[in-house]
Parts: sequence; C-alpha cells; structure tokens
Amino acid sequence: ETVLTQSPATLSLSPGERATLSCRSSHSLSSHLAWYQQRPGQPPRLLIYDASTRATGIPARFSGSGSGTDFTLTIASLEPEDSAVYYCQQRSNWPPVFGGGTKVEI
Amino acid sequence: QVQLQESGPGLVRPSETLSLTCTVSGGSVSDYYWSWIRQTPGKGLEWIGYIYYTGSPNYNPSLKSRVSMSLDTSKNQVFLTLTSVTAADTAIYYCAKDLRPSMVTAWFDPWGQGTPVTVSS
Repeated sequence: ETVLTQSPATLSLSPGERATLSCRSSHSLSSHLAWYQQRPGQPPRLLIYDASTRATGIPARFSGSGSGTDFTLTIASLEPEDSAVYYCQQRSNWPPVFGGGTKVEI
Repeated sequence: QVQLQESGPGLVRPSETLSLTCTVSGGSVSDYYWSWIRQTPGKGLEWIGYIYYTGSPNYNPSLKSRVSMSLDTSKNQVFLTLTSVTAADTAIYYCAKDLRPSMVTAWFDPWGQGTPVTVSS
C-alpha cells in the first residue's frame, strides 16, 4: 500500500506569510494527488486535485504542484481562516490513501 | 448543490454490527459514486469503499471481509454496514460524493458532516 508522508507536522506562521506544505509518496503517483483542508469540527474540503487543479470555489492563493513522488501545497498569503489541518490523498495505487496531515497555525 | 447527512447509532457493542445511513439532498444518488471514509485520532483518514447504483461495490482490502454497502434510489440514501466491530472501529464516519458524475475519480467532494461512532460495552 502506498504511504504518504506529510511534512512538517505543524507550521506556525503569521497572516500574509507564505505556507509551503510537502507530501511525499512511497510510490510514483504521476499527478494523481489531491489536497484537502479540515478546519476544527468540520469535514475535510477538497482544495486541489490532479496535483494542481483548484476545486470549485477555492481561492487562488491555494496552489498545488509536483508529480511522481513529491508534491507541494502552497498558500500564497495566509488568511486567519486558513488555520486548519491539510491532508494529501492519492488515487493512483488502489486503495485511495491519505497522508497524516500538516497542521497550519496562524 | 449536493448535501450529505450521515446518521446512525452513536454507540455500538463490541462484536455487533454497525449500520449507518447517508441521506443525499440536492442531487440523485444515481448520478455519482459514493464513498464512506472514517477518521480516527490514531490512524487518521481511511477510505472504506465506494458504491454506484449499478455494478459491484469496491471495498478497501483491509476491511473487505466485514464491510457491505448498498443504496436506495427511491429514498436517495446510501448505507454502510460493518460487522464484528471492535474498539478499533471507533471513529467519525463520513460519506462523500465523487467529484464527477457517473465515473470514479476517487476525489471526494463534498463530504457530509460525519457521524461519531463509539464501540464499547
């Protein structure tokens, strides 16, 4: 089973700063990776799929990049509402698997 | 705008069967693939399986021997059954819609609010 490793575990930044989150896969995924945001008490929300495509309604400050085994989620200028845990998820190697998450504190 | 709402018993005894319902509004269950996903503090997010209104469900091999999914198009509901539960099955259980109609993308959007389940005697 594919393992997704996210780093760092926690990221503490100020409003307006840039956040860079990493997701590394144990197997090549091509571009079959998604990112989700989970705010406290809420279900996960799809942000990015196919590594770099923003889901409907997601602000442009969120962007995804990468392919193969290394992927990045970038939040260009942090807003207070971006405080959340961010998960990556792969669908290239069945079954779908999620990473352990990165907590972003603002 | 499709919305999902999970429901079920909050407490299940060990060795018994867990049964959950996902009620879909704002769209038809016949139009999409539907997944169940659970979340625990220890194991994080775990995909349980998906179902479509035609064909066979697809389950995570780790749970395949204990899981069953079905749906009722007349009620616009999706169901999850998990047998022989243990404390390790204690989790928040979510249902989620696949991103695109009539195909499996395995990108989940949106998710329901989730229903917490505790396995305890």
